[in-house]
Amino acid sequence: NAGVMQNPRHLVRRRGQEARLRCSPMKGHSHVYWYRQLPEEGLKFMVYLQKENIIDESGMPKERFSAEFPKEGPSILRIQQVVRGDSAAYFCASRTSGGTYEQYFGPGTRLTVT
Amino acid sequence: QKEVEQNSGPLSVPEGAIASLNCTYSDRGSQSFFWYRQYSGKSPELIMFIYSNGDKEDGRFTAQLNKASQYVSLLIRDSQPSDSATYLCAVRGNTGKLIFGQGTTLQVKP
Repeated sequence: NAGVMQNPRHLVRRRGQEARLRCSPMKGHSHVYWYRQLPEEGLKFMVYLQKENIIDESGMPKERFSAEFPKEGPSILRIQQVVRGDSAAYFCASRTSGGTYEQYFGPGTRLTVT
Repeated sequence: QKEVEQNSGPLSVPEGAIASLNCTYSDRGSQSFFWYRQYSGKSPELIMFIYSNGDKEDGRFTAQLNKASQYVSLLIRDSQPSDSATYLCAVRGNTGKLIFGQGTTLQVKP
C-alpha cells in the first residue's frame, strides 16, 4: 500500500499522559501536514514539516504540542499532558515537491482522552 | 469573516439528480482550490482540484471556479446514494497548507 500511513488508528489516554501519533507519507512525498478535526468541527491545519525542518507551525497550540519529521522514520505529533479537549481525529497529509500541491490524507488517529 | 465558507446543509437530492455544492473564500489572492469527500468516521479523500477560472470535468464531477466572484463549486451529475457524504472545500494558503470550510453534508435519496 503506497498511501499515507498513520498509527495508531485509535489511541486512548488518561488526562495528563502523553500521546504520540505517527505518520509515514506516501512514497516520494517529502512534505507532511498535520490537521485536527474536533467533534462536529472542520479540519484545522496544525503544522507543516519537511525532513528535519518545521516549515509552518502557525496552527499548533503554543503549549504541550510538538512535531518532528526526522531524517529517518515517520513524522511524529506529540501531545504532552493531554486534556479532554484534545480528544479529536488527527490527520496527516502528504504531497510531492512543487507541482500542483494536492495533498493526500492518511486514515487518521482517533484520540480519546478519559 | 471565515476564510472559507460553505453551507453546512444537509443538501438533499434524489438519486439521479445533479447536486450543486458551493464555496466562497475571502483571500482574493488564492490560487489553488480543492474538493474533498469525507464519509462519516473516515479521512478526507481528494476528488478534484482546480486552478484556472472556468470548469474542470472528471467523470461525474465538475469543478467550477470564478476568481472574480471568489467562489468555487462542485457539481455531481447522476447522484448516487454512495455519494452521500460531507464535501469539504479547501483553499491553499501560504506554505501550501489547506484552509478548509466547515463542509456540506450531501444526502442522496434513493
